[in-house]
Amino acid sequence: EAGVTQFPSHSVIEKGQTVTLRCDPISGHDNLYWYRRVMGKEIKFLLHFVKESKQDESGMPNNRFLAERTGGTYSTLKVQPAELEDSGVYFCASSVTGYAGELFFGEGSRLTVL
Amino acid sequence: GQNIDQPTEMTATEGAIVQINCTYQTSGFNGLFWYQQHAGEAPTFLSYNVLDGLEEKGRFSSFLSRSKGYSYLLLKELQMKDSASYLCAVRVGGGADGLTFGKGTHLIIQP
Repeated sequence: EAGVTQFPSHSVIEKGQTVTLRCDPISGHDNLYWYRRVMGKEIKFLLHFVKESKQDESGMPNNRFLAERTGGTYSTLKVQPAELEDSGVYFCASSVTGYAGELFFGEGSRLTVL
Repeated sequence: GQNIDQPTEMTATEGAIVQINCTYQTSGFNGLFWYQQHAGEAPTFLSYNVLDGLEEKGRFSSFLSRSKGYSYLLLKELQMKDSASYLCAVRVGGGADGLTFGKGTHLIIQP
């Protein structure tokens, strides 16, 4: 069974440009989460989808970040316009519906803003 | 705010035992997780404690004391491949809410 997959693995863009990150969760997992790790800091929660609905977006830094999950399958996270402080590794995770157990993580998308 | 503390780095010897501690002060508690992460890879799940006590799974064990806000991860018979970061995380909210992570402990295994 395929795990959580993320694309791209690494993106380098200039300040002011737009980047879209994609996450494909494990098939059948209704919970989908986005996290971010900035260098030297802990992994921080951004938001949580249950199917196509945003359950909790309290961790989204500001309105330059837009997450979508149309159809309740894959999700995208768009950063527009990107700033230097947005650099970091963006992780996606998924878990089974209604299950309070472990989250399964993808390998992350490393974003570098120059 | 939420606060999860764990040592930044630890060193241990192949074949030995190491204990990685984690203390937490959070507004709620609905389970504590340990993840292992090798550089450039996905964090992978190791253990989950929601009740006090010890959970054993092969070479890895995890302990929780909710009254003390304390957990540890015990790794036995250390192997070189155990060199990785170990992340302590707490589910603060209910249900399938997201996790709050500590900064991680970088474990170095020496021959």
